[in-house]
Amino acid sequence: GIQVEQSPPDLILQEGANSTLRCNFSDSVNNLQWFHQNPWGQLINLFYIPSGTKQNGRLSATTVATERYSLLYISSSQTTDSGVYFCAVERRLTGGGNKLTFGTGTQLKVEL
Amino acid sequence: DARVTQTPRDKVTEMGQEVTMRCQPILGHNTVFWYRQTMMQGLELLAYFRNRAPLDDSGMPKDRFSAEMPDATLATLKIQPSEPRDSAVYFCASGRGLVIQGDTQYFGPGTRLTVL
Repeated sequence: GIQVEQSPPDLILQEGANSTLRCNFSDSVNNLQWFHQNPWGQLINLFYIPSGTKQNGRLSATTVATERYSLLYISSSQTTDSGVYFCAVERRLTGGGNKLTFGTGTQLKVEL
Repeated sequence: DARVTQTPRDKVTEMGQEVTMRCQPILGHNTVFWYRQTMMQGLELLAYFRNRAPLDDSGMPKDRFSAEMPDATLATLKIQPSEPRDSAVYFCASGRGLVIQGDTQYFGPGTRLTVL
């Protein structure tokens, strides 16, 4: 099956710093999503981004599908950005349906 | 403030028992997703429904798991019989459309299942 690798696995930032999280995938995909899970376990769907760039406030994401990677940018980080960031790739199955495969996540801690 | 609700929030049961987890999607959402999260396997998509019909449940162990939407306000995930390896947090999410259309999914708080 498709492999999804995220880097770095862990990241500690000072509040106000910028960061880039990376997601590499091993095969072509139909879609890619970024999720955030806060320290209390709540999941939030951040972006659907099969290609191109999207921005939402201090977060933006870029996917270069031909090179099989996606980047999540966090600018002016805040303590509320702490948690785990997952990317997930979606592939259409030949027999119908879609397969969603998650990466192992990047654990981010933003300190004062 | 519309949100996805899940019950129970925590469930401890013994191996072999039936477990039913419930999810109430946001009113008006026509897509429901079930995910499982464990330390070993990470996040996995188990199944998803559109307009109450199962679109894909290929991520779900068929022998003991079943997912249904008896009506538009209730989705259930059932495990029978449960096994210790089913211990996980089970998340439900709802959305307005298909995943491939890029609509945002709204997640519930999860059900933490422990099978002894």
